[in-house]
Amino acid sequence: DVKVTQSSRYLVKRTGEKVFLECVQDMDHENMFWYRQDPGLGLRLIYFSYDVKMKEKGDIPEGYSVSREKKERFSLILESASTNQTSMYLCASMTGLADFTGELFFGEGSRLTVL
Amino acid sequence: GDSVTQMEGPVTLSEEAFLTINCTYTATGYPSLFWYVQYPGEGLQLLLKATKADDKGSNKGFEATYRKETTSFHLEKGSVQVSDSAVYFCALSVYNTDKLIFGTGTRLQVFP
Repeated sequence: DVKVTQSSRYLVKRTGEKVFLECVQDMDHENMFWYRQDPGLGLRLIYFSYDVKMKEKGDIPEGYSVSREKKERFSLILESASTNQTSMYLCASMTGLADFTGELFFGEGSRLTVL
Repeated sequence: GDSVTQMEGPVTLSEEAFLTINCTYTATGYPSLFWYVQYPGEGLQLLLKATKADDKGSNKGFEATYRKETTSFHLEKGSVQVSDSAVYFCALSVYNTDKLIFGTGTRLQVFP
């Protein structure tokens, strides 16, 4: 069964802490994405990556960075967490443009609370 | 820029009622259109899609038709079940990219 696994379902952090959210996919997909989900705002794209060591800013990259050292792993980093980053974070993967289907495979999400 | 607008929820229905969730879009080029569903406590999953005008996507009793003339992709089901309670997201693919743009989601609550 295809799978996208996010390392933590629930995290509580303090303002100013550095936060790592990890995501691993087992489908050999080229593309990986980080979204945040907020009530009334839907899903907003933070960053995406179409290849190892490649990254592109999404719609709301401020306050975030990403790392993709291996094809199967895509990490989201909050350098200095703030309360307005309290949210549900969703990782997803998809095949590359050459085989585009539009089907994103999502992890179960990581709910981050910043106090 | 490209965007998706869907009706606000929650939509509250009794079991076996007819469901419509409206979705309209603005896009350049020729996007594909999607409906994703998020069940409680889970990530999103693809429900159905349509890749060109007049295509109908269908799955699990749900249907949606790609209407280019009205720039719409409304989701319908003839008889909903309690197990259909979830959040439904309309989305489009940005032309010639790997990116999807999502609507804000519509929560459906079905009561017995």
